Amino acid sequence: AQRVTQPEKLLSVFKGAPVELKCNYSYSGSPELFWYVQYSRQRLQLLLRHISRESIKGFTADLNKGETSFHLKKPFAQEEDSAMYYCALSPSQGGTNAGKSTFGDGTTLTVKP
Amino acid sequence: DAEITQSPRHKITETGRQVTLACHQTWNHNNMFWYRQDLGHGLRLIHYSYGVQDTNKGEVSDGYSVSRSNTEDLPLTLESAASSQTSVYFCASSESKGGRDIQYFGAGTRLSVL
Repeated sequence: AQRVTQPEKLLSVFKGAPVELKCNYSYSGSPELFWYVQYSRQRLQLLLRHISRESIKGFTADLNKGETSFHLKKPFAQEEDSAMYYCALSPSQGGTNAGKSTFGDGTTLTVKP
Repeated sequence: DAEITQSPRHKITETGRQVTLACHQTWNHNNMFWYRQDLGHGLRLIHYSYGVQDTNKGEVSDGYSVSRSNTEDLPLTLESAASSQTSVYFCASSESKGGRDIQYFGAGTRLSVL
């Protein structure tokens, strides 16, 4: 069974400080990992996906298959980064779970001025 | 522009009543999902559909049902609303390109069962 764990429900940092939101997964195949973000009063939206290997709003995330992790990082947090962040896993193509992503419980990030 | 819309945005109902939450997408996506979002539980999958006439149970499906009569709509019905179903409900859709899915979410429906 696939599983996504976000160990921190709440994370608070000061503006300008580095931030890391942790995500660990368990899956027997080759998954794709995503980070979704939900800003206050907005809908959940994709932040980034590991296959794109890009930086969005200063955030990056590297898939570490050895540690089965996909931590989200930003070197200098901004107040506008305050939001709820969800890590999600999409299974390999095909199979009974194709198209069905598994989400972690989410981490609420607060960036203080 | 393609989008996914949910209605109503807010709903208050009484215990025991039947409630239907609407979800409509114009992405022409095959896959549609219903989640509930609760403090301490994150997003939990209620039901999902891979196409017309296809529906599947998620991890918290008890007390809920869905139907998929066309590509665009996946209404969620609470057969007999219970206070435990007070939550924020999100609908999402995805296309399943090569099985690597980005999900697109609606704005959510906040349901209160009194």
